[in-house]
Amino acid sequence: AQSVTQLDSQVPVFEEAPVELRCNYSSSVSVYLFWYVQYPNQGLQLLLKYLSGSTLVKGINGFEAEFNKSQTSFHLRKPSVHISDTAEYFCAVSDQDNNNDMRFGAGTRLTVKP
Amino acid sequence: DVKVTQSSRYLVKRTGEKVFLECVQDMDHENMFWYRQDPGLGLRLIYFSYDVKMKEKGDIPEGYSVSREKKERFSLILESASTNQTSMYLCASSFSGMGNTEAFFGQGTRLTVV
Repeated sequence: AQSVTQLDSQVPVFEEAPVELRCNYSSSVSVYLFWYVQYPNQGLQLLLKYLSGSTLVKGINGFEAEFNKSQTSFHLRKPSVHISDTAEYFCAVSDQDNNNDMRFGAGTRLTVKP
Repeated sequence: DVKVTQSSRYLVKRTGEKVFLECVQDMDHENMFWYRQDPGLGLRLIYFSYDVKMKEKGDIPEGYSVSREKKERFSLILESASTNQTSMYLCASSFSGMGNTEAFFGQGTRLTVV
């Protein structure tokens, strides 16, 4: 089965600084990739997804991610973060060869400080 | 709006009890998932169903079973609850075919086993 590694469990940054949250996956050739966000005491919400086509994907709230097939990575970036971006972020991979079985990483807690 | 509904937000059960967690989706999705969310461990897949009466074990199936008698309903069963099953349980659903396989989540059931 596929697996997802989120390389940083916690990322503290100051407001208006850029941020990158790293995600690597191991899987079969055909995958879909996702980033979800969970704000404190809320459910999971889709941030962005890669299904096919352009490797640079734009999502909500100014986030974007780049799919790199050779490095099996799907890192999430934002050029300037806000206090309201404080949340936990989860990378997920869906295996097209197995009915889109979906696995998640351990999460990265992003804390934006004033 | 896609809706995934979990029957309880909070549940307290005694050790050794048989526990049923119910999940219903209204989008005619083929796939349904049960995950367990624990701090620092992310979302771990317990079981996955890609069709009625079909199921696959995820990463942590021990101590759990599932039932999918109808397409819209997926039940998680704790055969004999133990304190180490205290956790947040998340149900999700998605399409299984090519294309948009975004998973939609319920609000979660926080289970405490005493």
